[in-house]
Amino acid sequence: NAGVMQNPRHLVRRRGQEARLRCSPMKGHSHVYWYRQLPEEGLKFMVYLQKENIIDESGMPKERFSAEFPKEGPSILRIQQVVRGDSAAYFCASSTGGQETQYFGPGTRLLVL
Amino acid sequence: DAKTTQPPSMDCAEGRAANLPCNHSTISGNEYVYWYRQIHSQGPQYIIHGLKNNETNEMASLIITEDRKSSTLILPHATLRDTAVYYCIVRVGNSGGYQKVTFGTGTKLQVIP
Repeated sequence: NAGVMQNPRHLVRRRGQEARLRCSPMKGHSHVYWYRQLPEEGLKFMVYLQKENIIDESGMPKERFSAEFPKEGPSILRIQQVVRGDSAAYFCASSTGGQETQYFGPGTRLLVL
Repeated sequence: DAKTTQPPSMDCAEGRAANLPCNHSTISGNEYVYWYRQIHSQGPQYIIHGLKNNETNEMASLIITEDRKSSTLILPHATLRDTAVYYCIVRVGNSGGYQKVTFGTGTKLQVIP
């Protein structure tokens, strides 16, 4: 049973470009969470999605960031017009339900030049 | 939200038991204690969780005090591969009925040969 998959594992963007991060949840999981980890810091919650619905986006910046989890395909975290401060590791987690254990993917490391 | 307090770092000799403490004095009656670890640059790995009773699985044991204000994660025979940052987390409940996991700074465990 494959775990949570994230791609790309590493992403380099120049300031002003767009970054698209993908997350495929574990088989049978319909709940997806995105977290961001800045260097030397703990993980910070960004957004929680179920299929086709955003449940909680309270941790996501209002500008430039968006997330989706379509009926078919992976969840996408999209960052428009990236800035250097967006450089971080972005982790996705999935679960079978809102109160069930979250299992994390390997992360995408975004570097903005 | 119940907050947790963990020592910033600990050392443990290889082959010995590693006992990682966590204080969560404001925990509510229906909140679970979860433990994750993050090995350098990898995604957080779920270890164990519990509500009131002590729990054991193939990775570790979780001892929760009777008043639930603190807990200890025990790795019975630490190996070098157990070197990681260990996060003690209290699951946040809310009206949405989902698990909004909040990570602190954790305990950096160094297993020494």
